[in-house]
Amino acid sequence: QVQLVESGGGVVQPGRSLRLSCAASGFTFSNYGMHWVRQAPGKGLEWVAVISYDGTITYYGASVKGRFTISRDNSKSTLFLQMNSLRPKDTAIYFCATELKVWGQGTLVTVSS
Amino acid sequence: QSVLTQPPSASGTPGQRVTIPCSGNRYNIGNNTINWYQQVLGTAPKLLIHRKNQRPSGVPDRFSGSKSGTSASLAISGLQSEDEGDYYCAAWDDSLNAWVFGGGTKLTVL
Repeated sequence: QVQLVESGGGVVQPGRSLRLSCAASGFTFSNYGMHWVRQAPGKGLEWVAVISYDGTITYYGASVKGRFTISRDNSKSTLFLQMNSLRPKDTAIYFCATELKVWGQGTLVTVSS
Repeated sequence: QSVLTQPPSASGTPGQRVTIPCSGNRYNIGNNTINWYQQVLGTAPKLLIHRKNQRPSGVPDRFSGSKSGTSASLAISGLQSEDEGDYYCAAWDDSLNAWVFGGGTKLTVL
């Protein structure tokens, strides 16, 4: 069955960087676009970024554009999110999702001094 | 403030039919298909409706979606206690080149 497992979350100071990973299994990863979506504590869903099946096309939400980079390694069926210049408002659970259909359980990122 | 507008709450009694509206504009709902998600507390969102009212395998036919112009709605018939949770609409926005979500509607089964 399709499985997505996020990792890499944790507590980080404002201004620092963090890299999230999403390991995919149970489907042909290289055939599907992949997304990151986040949810701040007690808040709604916010779309973060999407990458095409081959990694050539990316789009970002306005609040992360220029600071976050989405990428993928199809040989390892893994999706990444490089997060730079982190801010307290970036504190959230980060979910990866295949074409916004199947979602992982998320990884918590806390930005705090 | 979310690009797509949903009421913060909705409620119904068991067996009742409830609808959750989602309002957007010509760049998102008006020009693209809508996804609807259910999120039960503490779990990942689950896709209920996508494309033109398509339900993924395992989603009961009690859930249905519709769209008219720049508005969409999710209907849940035969309401059950297990339907309690938060519901979100989402669509691609052609002007923002981004996916946009509604703020979410908390459904309570009375």
